[in-house]
Amino acid sequence: QQQVKQSPQSLIVQKGGISIINCAYENTAFDYFPWYQQFPGKGPALLIAIRPDVSEKKEGRFTISFNKSAKQFSLHIMDSQPGDSATYFCAAANTNAGKSTFGDGTTLTVKP
Amino acid sequence: ETGVTQSPTHLIKTRGQQVTLRCSSQSGHNTVSWYQQALGQGPQFIFQYYREEENGRGNFPPRFSGLQFPNYSSELNVNALELDDSALYLCASSELATDTQYFGPGTRLTVL
Repeated sequence: QQQVKQSPQSLIVQKGGISIINCAYENTAFDYFPWYQQFPGKGPALLIAIRPDVSEKKEGRFTISFNKSAKQFSLHIMDSQPGDSATYFCAAANTNAGKSTFGDGTTLTVKP
Repeated sequence: ETGVTQSPTHLIKTRGQQVTLRCSSQSGHNTVSWYQQALGQGPQFIFQYYREEENGRGNFPPRFSGLQFPNYSSELNVNALELDDSALYLCASSELATDTQYFGPGTRLTVL
């Protein structure tokens, strides 16, 4: 059962552009929504996370937008750089049950 | 402060064998979660340990089992290995069961 759907599967953006990755979830018990960045051969690294009591969170060039009623959230990367080229995963966690569900990932390529 | 470490880095086993993977959590963290990441997919939650007790489990069969030790390090054991068990196995630690997770670099398991 795919509980977190992520799109697009791949994304190509020019340097300086905005990268947008979307995720949708089904389980209303999810209460923590992190985004991870993963480079080849490495484990995922936390970028930014949000809880459902806020609609937006910004940290540097990274912003999460959260729509609780639509059960959707998205990652915006402003002023995208070639060093941002990586695979990005959204996740949704039911922290009381100790369970996390990841999307299938988006491969981002930022062209110089 | 040391990060999450995992051993071994790579492992090759044959079908039917048993394997043990190890994880040392980040200093001060009492919660460890294990994930399986198949090629081109997002991490799939296996289980979580909080203060030496299993705190949540994903949709994995009982031949996937784990332990957490008093120093909060952890082991993942897989019995009767199958070809589909070939994947990157990730360990993540956090201060609390509900807190931000920090991933290790993973163990690449190949089952022949």
